[in-house]
Amino acid sequence: AQTVTQSQPEMSVQEAETVTLSCTYDTSESNYYLFWYKQPPSRQMILVIRQEAYKQQNATENRFSVNFQKAAKSFSLKISDSQLGDTAMYFCAFMKNNAGNMLTFGGGTRLMVKP
Amino acid sequence: EAGVTQFPSHSVIEKGQTVTLRCDPISGHDNLYWYRRVMGKEIKFLLHFVKESKQDESGMPNNRFLAERTGGTYSTLKVQPAELEDSGVYFCASSPLAGGGTDTQYFGPGTRLTVL
Repeated sequence: AQTVTQSQPEMSVQEAETVTLSCTYDTSESNYYLFWYKQPPSRQMILVIRQEAYKQQNATENRFSVNFQKAAKSFSLKISDSQLGDTAMYFCAFMKNNAGNMLTFGGGTRLMVKP
Repeated sequence: EAGVTQFPSHSVIEKGQTVTLRCDPISGHDNLYWYRRVMGKEIKFLLHFVKESKQDESGMPNNRFLAERTGGTYSTLKVQPAELEDSGVYFCASSPLAGGGTDTQYFGPGTRLTVL
């Protein structure tokens, strides 16, 4: 069974600064996907970024990037130039490499961006 | 394109009553998932449909929960009778079938269930 751990229940960052959210996971699988989802206070959860484990290059989406360390089973999310709209719950999630599989989530990190 | 929708957004019921939650996936998405998050804990998988068939229901907590997806379109999740520990947010997600590498699941806004 897979487990996902987010060790930071809450974080805050000043607007325009950079923040890194941590995520570690445990699995015996060699092929899998990792995701960061964001849930703003309005509750709709949206995908921020995804990473295929077989790809060595870290995924990037505009101000969001990941630091994927497969050997260490670490998948941190870096948010650059933080904006007020980044205030949300962030969930790290794992999925085995068969489309149609369930997501295993971490406990979430509540991020507040301060003006 | 419309996203995943869920109804109702919030439900408050008494212990012992019945509640039915509905999920409408993105059109054309054959995979449909139910998850829930109870107070302050992780989001947990409940079950997975492929079209109208239950592919994996290993996360269903007990037989008070019944999920259906007649016709392979929308899905319902019925809780009967509801207990206090069923309170939480129930999320639905959908994704296309495998073949295009599109494994991303798209989530609905959730239904917040409160059992008094």
